[in-house]
Amino acid sequence: ETGVTQTPRHLVMGMTNKKSLKCEQHLGHNAMYWYKQSAKKPLELMFVYNFKEQTENNSVPSRFSPECPNSSHLFLHLHTLQPEDSALYLCASSHDVMEPGQKVGELFFGEGSRLTVL
Amino acid sequence: GESVGLHLPTLSVQEGDNSIINCAYSNSASDYFIWYKQESGKGPQFIIDIRSNMDKRQGQRVTVLLNKTVKHLSLQIAATQPGDSAVYFCAENLTKTGANSKLTFGKGITLSVRP
Repeated sequence: ETGVTQTPRHLVMGMTNKKSLKCEQHLGHNAMYWYKQSAKKPLELMFVYNFKEQTENNSVPSRFSPECPNSSHLFLHLHTLQPEDSALYLCASSHDVMEPGQKVGELFFGEGSRLTVL
Repeated sequence: GESVGLHLPTLSVQEGDNSIINCAYSNSASDYFIWYKQESGKGPQFIIDIRSNMDKRQGQRVTVLLNKTVKHLSLQIAATQPGDSAVYFCAENLTKTGANSKLTFGKGITLSVRP
């Protein structure tokens, strides 16, 4: 267990559906991330939240809508997705990089939500 | 553009042998490097890191080597075990940006351990 829990683990949805992915971390971290992992491609950063504030939106289409109600929870709301959005969506958390003594770059990942868009 | 890449897509080793996984990075300003391991059905897991002011760092059965002259990073696994079978990612970061959002991952290489 990494301390980062993602639900659901698997999701199949049609292009007109609306669904949400959930991530919860029990590590006391202040930063949370959404990554997209497609076959044969590097991990793609989608969004970053630091102290509940979005600090990075990596040119992600508006059909992906993140929500971070508090430092422990992160959602990814999905609507009108395309088949090419099928991928493994990984949530991660980390300490605030500015805190002294913390390992810079040590992200703790959840096990991912495998999304299939039909 | 800047990129982090891995030389080989797959690596097959005999159980008990040493494994060496290589990675090239292109951003000469990167000052922090990390290796992650991703087992089937799981998310990536931190293995070991190294800062640019070092050229070698050892962990338990793993060693990371950094050659800044040729912008090359390698992960050495001693006495490879079946549990080491996974996809390995190198990643680079520019820490002065003050954010882990600048962490750039490579494509990943699959390590397969033969019994």
